[in-house]
Amino acid sequence: GQNIDQPTEMTATEGAIVQINCTYQTSGFNGLFWYQQHAGEAPTFLSYNVLDGLEEKGRFSSFLSRSKGYSYLLLKELQMKDSASYLCAVSGGYNDYKLSFGAGTTVTVRA
Amino acid sequence: GAVVSQHPSRVICKSGTSVKIECRSLDFQATTMFWYRQFPKQSLMLMATSNEGSKATYEQGVEKDKFLINHASLTLSTLTVTSAHPEDSSFYICSARDAGAAYEQYFGPGTRLTVT
Repeated sequence: GQNIDQPTEMTATEGAIVQINCTYQTSGFNGLFWYQQHAGEAPTFLSYNVLDGLEEKGRFSSFLSRSKGYSYLLLKELQMKDSASYLCAVSGGYNDYKLSFGAGTTVTVRA
Repeated sequence: GAVVSQHPSRVICKSGTSVKIECRSLDFQATTMFWYRQFPKQSLMLMATSNEGSKATYEQGVEKDKFLINHASLTLSTLTVTSAHPEDSSFYICSARDAGAAYEQYFGPGTRLTVT
């Protein structure tokens, strides 16, 4: 089975940094994704990690440690529009590309 | 590029009726499409994998006779919720995988189904 854990909620101040952790235990591993989802909308792709290390993309960075079953998404210079749910998802199967999602972390950015 | 559309965006139907939701990849060919369901304040749960020209693969616990999936072309998959009940009310989201892309899935905007 797939077990993906992430915190339920986080609150931070505009301009600050927030780190969202995700731990996973899956029967296979073919990459880890982070998505952003605003209420009532579909998820939008943020990042993909398949090898260990840090991937930086503008204000967002994502880190992966496969040996620890651990990832984090780092959001820098927070803006009000970053208030959303952030979903960690793992592709566990070889060649089937199915995604298992965590429950999501709701980030609230305060002025 | 890589746009996925869903229709309708919102639908209200009466208990016992059927509802069809369309998922289209607008600018790429999608050999594989996925259907998810999301209840309020919960994450996306994969319902089924839809492959063009073949039968869909359903996840454990999803009734294939209730949620009919058809993937008749490389750009269109449909999900029909048959004999809908209030507990089927949910946010249904499809995603499509570009046959030429390595890993990324592109999500549609979702369909909010309310069964009264």
